Amino acid sequence: GAVVSQHPSWVICKSGTSVKIECRSLDFQATTMFWYRQFPKQSLMLMATSNEGSKATYEQGVEKDKFLINHASLTLSTLTVTSAHPEDSSFYICSARDLGLAGTYNEQFFGPGTRLTVL
Amino acid sequence: GENVEQHPSTLSVQEGDSAVIKCTYSDSASNYFPWYKQELGKRPQLIIDIRSNVGEKKDQRIAVTLNKTAKHFSLHITETQPEDSAVYFCAAPPGLNSGGYQKVTFGTGTKLQVIP
Repeated sequence: GAVVSQHPSWVICKSGTSVKIECRSLDFQATTMFWYRQFPKQSLMLMATSNEGSKATYEQGVEKDKFLINHASLTLSTLTVTSAHPEDSSFYICSARDLGLAGTYNEQFFGPGTRLTVL
Repeated sequence: GENVEQHPSTLSVQEGDSAVIKCTYSDSASNYFPWYKQELGKRPQLIIDIRSNVGEKKDQRIAVTLNKTAKHFSLHITETQPEDSAVYFCAAPPGLNSGGYQKVTFGTGTKLQVIP
């Protein structure tokens, strides 16, 4: 299957700093990437949908000024957690879908995740 | 938006027994239903999926059944092995005619423990 990479895999930062997480589709083009957050023992919660060349669509309750998303190319989306606080500590996972056939759903490929710990 | 419910939240079975996890969804226009397996600290991996034009799909020890009328689909794992222990998530995108057609709603997850 297609490969999605994510970097870094683990980051520890001080409260108040900003952290950038990269999500790359390595062998396919992805017009749409998704960013999820997963707290321990919980399901994946969609934070935002990242669309190449346009603004991201944020889910209700997710602050767009705090979680900045940039999807500058068909293979790269970035999530920046600005002014991180301990409550932002979580497992952040991106996913991407291959362009595939229009009008049909295709498998989502997940990145390996980034564990963020804010001290 | 789509509402997906998953049961049970935890499931313990003896090695060799079968495990069944069930999900219900709300959007009758949904037509694609994947199941993911997530091991601790790792990414979700697609293990099987089904589209609405079939009622059942099987891949070796795993199978998925779909009942569109009742709006539920189930994951069946037979001859369970210790390496099947993980958290399993169902997912259901809303119908393609919905405004949020690209978004996928995940179930709450089922922690499966296979006891040797």
